[in-house]
Amino acid sequence: DADVTQTPRNRITKTGKRIMLECSQTKGHDRMYWYRQDPGLGLRLIYYSFDVKDINKGEISDGYSVSRQAQAKFSLSLESAIPNQTALYFCATSGAVTDTQYFGPGTRLTVL
Amino acid sequence: EDQVTQSPEALRLQEGESSSLNCSYTVSGLRGLFWYRQDPGKGPEFLFTLYSAGEEKEKERLKATLTKKESFLHITAPKPEDSATYLCAVQASSNTGKLIFGQGTTLQVKP
Repeated sequence: DADVTQTPRNRITKTGKRIMLECSQTKGHDRMYWYRQDPGLGLRLIYYSFDVKDINKGEISDGYSVSRQAQAKFSLSLESAIPNQTALYFCATSGAVTDTQYFGPGTRLTVL
Repeated sequence: EDQVTQSPEALRLQEGESSSLNCSYTVSGLRGLFWYRQDPGKGPEFLFTLYSAGEEKEKERLKATLTKKESFLHITAPKPEDSATYLCAVQASSNTGKLIFGQGTTLQVKP
């Protein structure tokens, strides 16, 4: 089984809809991250969490919110989706010692 | 401002033709430099972490090196299965946990 899982893997939604992307991990890591990837712009950090009670904004947090429900679960929400939020979204985890981040398989989100 | 630039953007090689990918970085104190491989439609797969200038790491046909300003990913005698996008990222000592990614180099190896 994969260490980092993301659901759904693909989602098509309409402008204005609320959508939640979920991430679960079995690596036992405390730190979790959400990134988006756009062609030509690379991976950019949206939010990150170092433990259940710690949530931090990344470089592009506007229009997004997150929830850390447990050590192993970190969800990303788009309260009112807009077309320029169409992208690939990745969740990642890391342990405090090595800082190496391990990525999930991604969610392809299309906002029409 | 912390920044990572990768070159070239795309690279086409014949099978067996060795080459190098470059990652230039500007960071306020380097905590670590990371290399990932990404296949189309998949998440980045961790390859190497380098922590200090002069450090080298190898895995099969790949070898990563680090200087104070850049890192190289050397690919020796590549095979078609090495075709992927290679991502470089840096972590600043002042922002533990946050990675700054380059835009990647897309490698195509033709048989």
